[in-house]
Amino acid sequence: TQLLEQSPQFLSIQEGENLTVYCNSSSVFSSLQWYRQEPGEGPVLLVTVVTGGEVKKLKRLTFQFGDARKDSSLHITAAQPGDTGLYLCAGRAGGTSYGKLTFGQGTILTVHP
Amino acid sequence: DTAVSQTPKYLVTQMGNDKSIKCEQNLGHDTMYWYKQDSKKFLKIMFSYNNKELIINETVPNRFSPKSPDKAHLNLHINSLELGDSAVYFCASSQFTGRGNEKLFFGSGTQLSVL
Repeated sequence: TQLLEQSPQFLSIQEGENLTVYCNSSSVFSSLQWYRQEPGEGPVLLVTVVTGGEVKKLKRLTFQFGDARKDSSLHITAAQPGDTGLYLCAGRAGGTSYGKLTFGQGTILTVHP
Repeated sequence: DTAVSQTPKYLVTQMGNDKSIKCEQNLGHDTMYWYKQDSKKFLKIMFSYNNKELIINETVPNRFSPKSPDKAHLNLHINSLELGDSAVYFCASSQFTGRGNEKLFFGSGTQLSVL
């Protein structure tokens, strides 16, 4: 069973601060995705990374895939209250056409005004 | 024009009852999923269907039976509900690309409470 460890589990910060969320595994993933989930809603995809060492930016969010494709990070610059939510990383194993998506346990981010 | 819609949004029922959750997607996707999110927000796959065929079946009690009448619909029937079945159940869909980078579109969830 492939496991994804996310840290921290909870993050409470003030508006304007920077933060990083980590997603680590001992397994190699063919791709890794980050989702954001708001209360009462389903997760919404933010980004997909597929190449080791890949860095993608989405406005104030920067996503990185580790060189060995076992880990990833999400960095938010100058966090805003609208960034509040549950952030989930999810990895897909290679080798099968319908690779199962394994989710990390999530990071609950609260940004205070 | 919701992309992935599931009903009901809330389901409160007694232990031992049988209930169903319905899901429909209008995105033209060929793959649909059921995920279970527990009270700690951990999201775990239960089933996946591609073009009405079951392709992923995790270790789920056989009280849970998915049914896909066509590729736009995936329903979940649960027999003999137990307290531990209480969770939020999410339906999702994606289009198979063969590149392992499929984007999942989730419904807004069904919160099941078993009393």
